Amino acid sequence: NAGVTQTPKFQVLKTGQSMTLQCAQDMNHNSMYWYRQDPGMGLRLIYYSASEGTTDKGEVPNGYNVSRLNKREFSLRLESAAPSQTSVYFCASRTIGEPQHFGDGTRLSIL
Amino acid sequence: AQKVTQAQTEISVVEKEDVTLDCVYETRDTTYYLFWYKQPPSGELVFLIRRNSFDEQNEISGRYSWNFQKSTSSFNFTITASQVVDSAVYFCAHDMRFGAGTRLTVKP
Repeated sequence: NAGVTQTPKFQVLKTGQSMTLQCAQDMNHNSMYWYRQDPGMGLRLIYYSASEGTTDKGEVPNGYNVSRLNKREFSLRLESAAPSQTSVYFCASRTIGEPQHFGDGTRLSIL
Repeated sequence: AQKVTQAQTEISVVEKEDVTLDCVYETRDTTYYLFWYKQPPSGELVFLIRRNSFDEQNEISGRYSWNFQKSTSSFNFTITASQVVDSAVYFCAHDMRFGAGTRLTVKP
């Protein structure tokens, strides 16, 4: 099973550029999540989608947008990248009450 | 809002020592789930244990055990007879909210 697949794995952007991080899961999970991980700050929730057709803000949504394209896919978009958005981004999915399944992460550097 | 606090930023032990990782949470939910995850140096996030709010029975699974106390909003995790391979960052989570993590280093 592929589980949760994130693309790309690495990306370098210039300030002001835009990009979309892709995430897809094949476990038929209703809920999907985007986190960012910065040193010493753990995993901070950016946005989540409790079910297909819904999205909600997490702790640090500013500068990001999301799209729950269908049950399998949940994308994260940076419209105008800033150096403060340099981070490792994780996508996760789960059924409520169960543990989250994580992708391998995307290392994003913004110069 | 939910909040998870892991007060221990870093812990260093010598192999075979027991180590307890602390986790305190805040919630207004009456039913909820708590989790521990491990992030080894390779970077992936691995689920370890889950506890739901209506079951305070503490359990042992191999070298892992956990102590859930609803009265103090704590969900502590213990590794018995630690090994070098246990070196990782450990995260406590309340539903979808994570603590800042505790970096455990086990020295040979």
